[in-house]
Amino acid sequence: GAGVSQSPRYKVTKRGQDVALRCDPISGHVSLYWYRQALGQGPEFLTYFNYEAQQDKSGLPNDRFSAERPEGSISTLTIQRTEQRDSAMYRCASSVTSGGAYEQYFGPGTRLTVT
Amino acid sequence: GESVGLHLPTLSVQEGDNSIINCAYSNSASDYFIWYKQESGKGPQFIIDIRSNMDKRQGQRVTVLLNKTVKHLSLQIAATQPGDSAVYFCAENYNTDKLIFGTGTRLQVFP
Repeated sequence: GAGVSQSPRYKVTKRGQDVALRCDPISGHVSLYWYRQALGQGPEFLTYFNYEAQQDKSGLPNDRFSAERPEGSISTLTIQRTEQRDSAMYRCASSVTSGGAYEQYFGPGTRLTVT
Repeated sequence: GESVGLHLPTLSVQEGDNSIINCAYSNSASDYFIWYKQESGKGPQFIIDIRSNMDKRQGQRVTVLLNKTVKHLSLQIAATQPGDSAVYFCAENYNTDKLIFGTGTRLQVFP
């Protein structure tokens, strides 16, 4: 079946512009997670949702970062006034339910480059 | 595709040999652990998981060992194949919904 999909796969933007990254989780998965991954490191948690409710946003670096999942399916991670330090791979994952002890399925990621 | 783990610890093994990848986790209260495999240009792919009430779990060609006393996790891959070449990450969870990933290890398999 279809896995987690993300779009765009690559995004180049100029400093100061806003960007929106999209995640389409596995159908029926309750939980959706956003991570950021730097080269050579494991994914770093940003935020997650159960259905449409944002449960934890403690990993968002600052208030330029926001996320939503209005209908409990597709999610958008928005970065306002991008800075060069925002350049990274942004990964989305979903799991069948919440509670932590369940496998998270990762998408291919969006490579963001801020010039 | 992009390269994952340009300066990671590297384990080099010959095809057919067994591989052991180690991970030290951070929180003694963690109760769930996962090993992920990440190939270049792809997202992390689930390999095997283990809960804290176990010390060993076996899958197909893979075994995960958990030593809670020293907060150590290992992944054993039997009869390593070229397709096993990737970066491997361990991740822990402690009663929350977010995974905390460790530093990856690059596995290189030589014919």
